[in-house]
Amino acid sequence: NAGVMQNPRHLVRRRGQEARLRCSPMKGHSHVYWYRQLPEEGLKFMVYLQKENIIDESGMPKERFSAEFPKEGPSILRIQQVVRGDSAAYFCASSSTGGPPPGNTIYFGEGSWLTVV
Amino acid sequence: QQQVKQSPQSLIVQKGGISIINCAYENTAFDYFPWYQQFPGKGPALLIAIRPDVSEKKEGRFTISFNKSAKQFSLHIMDSQPGDSATYFCAASNMGKGAQKLVFGQGTRLTINP
Repeated sequence: NAGVMQNPRHLVRRRGQEARLRCSPMKGHSHVYWYRQLPEEGLKFMVYLQKENIIDESGMPKERFSAEFPKEGPSILRIQQVVRGDSAAYFCASSSTGGPPPGNTIYFGEGSWLTVV
Repeated sequence: QQQVKQSPQSLIVQKGGISIINCAYENTAFDYFPWYQQFPGKGPALLIAIRPDVSEKKEGRFTISFNKSAKQFSLHIMDSQPGDSATYFCAASNMGKGAQKLVFGQGTRLTINP
Protein backbone atom coordinates (compact mmCIF):
# COMPACT_ATOMS: atom_id res chain seq x y z
CA ASN A 1 0.00 0.00 0.00
CA ALA A 2 1.84 3.04 -1.27
CA GLY A 3 1.99 6.04 1.00
CA VAL A 4 1.33 9.65 0.13
CA MET A 5 3.33 10.38 -3.01
CA GLN A 6 4.64 13.84 -3.71
CA ASN A 7 6.53 15.09 -6.72
CA PRO A 8 8.79 16.61 -7.54
CA ARG A 9 10.82 16.02 -4.39
CA HIS A 10 13.05 18.95 -5.20
CA LEU A 11 12.24 21.91 -7.41
CA VAL A 12 14.31 24.96 -8.26
CA ARG A 13 12.59 27.97 -9.73
CA ARG A 14 13.78 31.46 -10.62
CA ARG A 15 11.94 34.40 -9.17
CA GLY A 16 8.79 35.09 -11.17
CA GLN A 17 8.33 31.53 -12.44
CA GLU A 18 5.53 29.18 -11.50
CA ALA A 19 5.85 26.15 -9.26
CA ARG A 20 3.49 23.19 -9.41
CA LEU A 21 3.60 20.59 -6.70
CA ARG A 22 1.69 17.34 -7.01
CA CYS A 23 0.30 15.02 -4.38
CA SER A 24 -1.28 11.61 -4.78
CA PRO A 25 -3.00 10.58 -1.54
CA MET A 26 -2.83 7.12 -0.06
CA LYS A 27 -5.05 4.56 -1.72
CA GLY A 28 -8.58 4.94 -0.46
CA HIS A 29 -8.00 8.45 0.90
CA SER A 30 -10.12 11.26 -0.43
CA HIS A 31 -9.07 14.07 1.92
CA VAL A 32 -5.90 16.02 1.22
CA TYR A 33 -4.09 18.65 3.27
CA TRP A 34 -1.18 20.87 2.35
CA TYR A 35 1.27 22.20 4.92
CA ARG A 36 4.31 24.44 4.50
CA GLN A 37 7.48 24.18 6.54
CA LEU A 38 9.84 27.12 6.47
CA PRO A 39 13.48 26.47 7.46
CA GLU A 40 13.87 25.74 11.17
CA GLU A 41 10.14 26.11 11.77
CA GLY A 42 7.16 23.88 12.36
CA LEU A 43 4.62 23.01 9.73
CA LYS A 44 1.85 25.48 9.01
CA PHE A 45 -1.53 24.49 7.64
CA MET A 46 -2.36 25.87 4.22
CA VAL A 47 -5.42 24.17 2.76
CA TYR A 48 -7.77 21.20 3.14
CA LEU A 49 -9.40 19.69 0.06
CA GLN A 50 -11.70 16.90 -0.87
CA LYS A 51 -12.29 15.78 -4.42
CA GLU A 52 -13.33 18.85 -6.43
CA ASN A 53 -13.89 20.90 -3.25
CA ILE A 54 -11.82 23.28 -1.17
CA ILE A 55 -12.98 22.75 2.40
CA ASP A 56 -10.70 25.13 4.28
CA GLU A 57 -8.16 27.48 2.73
CA SER A 58 -7.67 29.70 5.75
CA GLY A 59 -3.90 29.13 5.72
CA MET A 60 -3.34 29.98 2.08
CA PRO A 61 -1.64 33.29 1.23
CA LYS A 62 -4.17 35.56 -0.43
CA GLU A 63 -2.23 35.97 -3.64
CA ARG A 64 -0.24 33.73 -5.96
CA PHE A 65 -1.17 30.45 -4.23
CA SER A 66 -3.92 28.09 -5.32
CA ALA A 67 -4.78 24.46 -4.80
CA GLU A 68 -7.03 21.93 -6.44
CA PHE A 69 -7.96 18.29 -6.09
CA PRO A 70 -9.73 17.25 -9.28
CA LYS A 71 -12.03 14.30 -9.68
CA GLU A 72 -9.25 12.45 -11.46
CA GLY A 73 -5.56 12.84 -10.79
CA PRO A 74 -3.42 14.24 -8.03
CA SER A 75 -3.91 17.31 -5.93
CA ILE A 76 -1.93 20.29 -7.19
CA LEU A 77 -0.50 23.18 -5.20
CA ARG A 78 0.33 26.01 -7.56
CA ILE A 79 2.49 28.98 -6.74
CA GLN A 80 2.60 31.73 -9.32
CA GLN A 81 5.37 34.30 -9.66
CA VAL A 82 7.48 32.72 -6.96
CA VAL A 83 9.59 34.86 -4.65
CA ARG A 84 12.54 33.91 -2.44
CA GLY A 85 10.27 33.78 0.60
CA ASP A 86 8.37 30.88 -0.98
CA SER A 87 11.43 28.66 -0.52
CA ALA A 88 10.24 25.96 1.84
CA ALA A 89 9.25 22.34 2.15
CA TYR A 90 5.66 21.70 1.13
CA PHE A 91 4.06 18.65 2.69
CA CYS A 92 0.93 16.94 1.56
CA ALA A 93 -1.06 14.71 3.88
CA SER A 94 -4.12 12.56 3.38
CA SER A 95 -6.79 10.84 5.39
CA SER A 96 -9.62 8.45 4.64
CA THR A 97 -12.31 10.73 6.02
CA GLY A 98 -12.56 14.18 7.51
CA GLY A 99 -13.48 12.75 10.87
CA PRO A 100 -11.51 12.93 14.09
CA PRO A 101 -8.50 10.89 15.03
CA PRO A 102 -7.46 8.48 16.29
CA GLY A 103 -9.77 6.56 14.00
CA ASN A 104 -8.81 8.82 11.15
CA THR A 105 -5.07 9.38 11.17
CA ILE A 106 -3.47 11.63 8.61
CA TYR A 107 -0.36 10.48 6.84
CA PHE A 108 2.24 12.86 5.49
CA GLY A 109 4.20 12.54 2.29
CA GLU A 110 7.94 13.07 2.16
CA GLY A 111 7.58 16.64 0.97
CA SER A 112 8.52 18.78 -1.99
CA TRP A 113 11.45 21.12 -1.37
CA LEU A 114 11.09 24.34 -3.33
CA THR A 115 14.09 26.58 -3.77
CA VAL A 116 13.63 29.97 -5.39
CA VAL A 117 16.80 31.53 -6.79
CA GLN B 1 -4.18 32.23 20.65
CA GLN B 2 -3.55 29.73 17.90
CA GLN B 3 0.08 29.19 18.87
CA VAL B 4 1.68 26.12 20.30
CA LYS B 5 5.00 26.88 21.98
CA GLN B 6 7.59 24.14 22.13
CA SER B 7 10.81 23.86 24.10
CA PRO B 8 13.68 23.28 24.03
CA GLN B 9 14.73 24.01 20.45
CA SER B 10 17.46 21.42 20.68
CA LEU B 11 18.28 18.68 23.14
CA ILE B 12 21.22 16.35 23.60
CA VAL B 13 20.73 13.23 25.70
CA GLN B 14 23.00 10.32 26.44
CA LYS B 15 21.98 6.88 25.29
CA GLY B 16 19.74 5.29 27.86
CA GLY B 17 18.64 8.61 29.31
CA ILE B 18 15.22 10.26 29.36
CA SER B 19 14.39 12.88 26.73
CA ILE B 20 11.74 15.41 27.72
CA ILE B 21 10.14 17.90 25.34
CA ASN B 22 7.52 20.39 26.48
CA CYS B 23 4.68 22.20 24.77
CA ALA B 24 2.20 24.84 25.86
CA TYR B 25 -0.95 26.05 24.17
CA GLU B 26 -3.41 28.87 24.67
CA ASN B 27 -6.53 27.87 22.76
CA THR B 28 -8.77 25.99 25.17
CA ALA B 29 -10.77 24.66 22.22
CA PHE B 30 -7.88 22.35 21.32
CA ASP B 31 -8.77 18.79 22.20
CA TYR B 32 -6.34 16.62 20.27
CA PHE B 33 -2.60 16.68 20.90
CA PRO B 34 -0.34 14.55 18.71
CA TRP B 35 3.43 14.29 18.58
CA TYR B 36 5.25 13.81 15.30
CA GLN B 37 8.74 12.53 14.57
CA GLN B 38 10.59 13.80 11.52
CA PHE B 39 13.87 12.52 10.12
CA PRO B 40 15.92 14.70 7.76
CA GLY B 41 14.45 14.80 4.29
CA LYS B 42 11.32 12.95 5.36
CA GLY B 43 7.78 13.87 6.22
CA PRO B 44 6.48 13.92 9.79
CA ALA B 45 5.22 10.61 11.14
CA LEU B 46 2.67 10.33 13.94
CA LEU B 47 4.31 9.01 17.07
CA ILE B 48 1.67 9.20 19.78
CA ALA B 49 -1.37 11.34 20.55
CA ILE B 50 -3.57 12.20 23.52
CA ARG B 51 -7.02 13.61 24.23
CA PRO B 52 -7.52 15.91 27.24
CA ASP B 53 -9.71 13.42 29.08
CA VAL B 54 -6.61 11.55 30.22
CA SER B 55 -3.50 12.85 31.94
CA GLU B 56 -1.05 10.33 30.56
CA LYS B 57 -0.67 7.97 27.64
CA LYS B 58 2.13 5.49 27.16
CA GLU B 59 3.16 3.56 24.08
CA GLY B 60 6.35 1.59 24.46
CA ARG B 61 9.15 3.98 25.41
CA PHE B 62 7.08 7.06 24.56
CA THR B 63 4.80 8.76 27.08
CA ILE B 64 2.69 11.89 26.78
CA SER B 65 1.88 13.74 29.99
CA PHE B 66 -1.00 16.21 29.80
CA ASN B 67 -1.87 18.99 32.24
CA LYS B 68 -5.18 20.51 31.21
CA SER B 69 -5.27 23.25 33.85
CA ALA B 70 -1.79 24.45 32.91
CA LYS B 71 -2.47 23.97 29.20
CA GLN B 72 0.77 22.05 28.84
CA PHE B 73 1.77 18.67 27.54
CA SER B 74 5.07 16.90 27.22
CA LEU B 75 6.72 13.97 25.51
CA HIS B 76 8.99 11.66 27.48
CA ILE B 77 11.24 9.20 25.68
CA MET B 78 12.54 6.59 28.06
CA ASP B 79 15.79 4.69 27.47
CA SER B 80 16.61 7.02 24.58
CA GLN B 81 18.44 5.41 21.67
CA PRO B 82 20.58 6.86 18.86
CA GLY B 83 17.81 5.89 16.43
CA ASP B 84 15.55 8.33 18.25
CA SER B 85 17.68 11.21 16.97
CA ALA B 86 15.23 13.28 14.94
CA THR B 87 13.16 16.45 15.11
CA TYR B 88 10.03 16.18 17.22
CA PHE B 89 6.97 18.35 16.78
CA CYS B 90 4.03 18.72 19.09
CA ALA B 91 0.74 19.78 17.58
CA ALA B 92 -2.82 20.57 18.54
CA SER B 93 -6.19 20.76 16.89
CA ASN B 94 -9.89 21.02 17.57
CA MET B 95 -11.59 17.80 16.59
CA GLY B 96 -14.92 19.47 16.12
CA LYS B 97 -13.61 22.12 13.75
CA GLY B 98 -11.24 20.32 11.48
CA ALA B 99 -9.28 17.71 13.34
CA GLN B 100 -6.56 17.62 10.78
CA LYS B 101 -6.00 21.37 10.77
CA LEU B 102 -3.05 20.95 13.06
CA VAL B 103 -1.18 23.79 14.73
CA PHE B 104 2.44 22.73 15.13
CA GLY B 105 5.08 23.75 17.60
CA GLN B 106 8.43 24.98 16.36
CA GLY B 107 10.14 21.62 16.74
CA THR B 108 12.88 20.14 18.92
CA ARG B 109 16.00 18.69 17.39
CA LEU B 110 16.89 15.70 19.55
CA THR B 111 20.34 14.13 19.45
CA ILE B 112 21.05 10.94 21.34
CA ASN B 113 24.76 10.41 21.95
CA PRO B 114 25.94 6.80 21.95
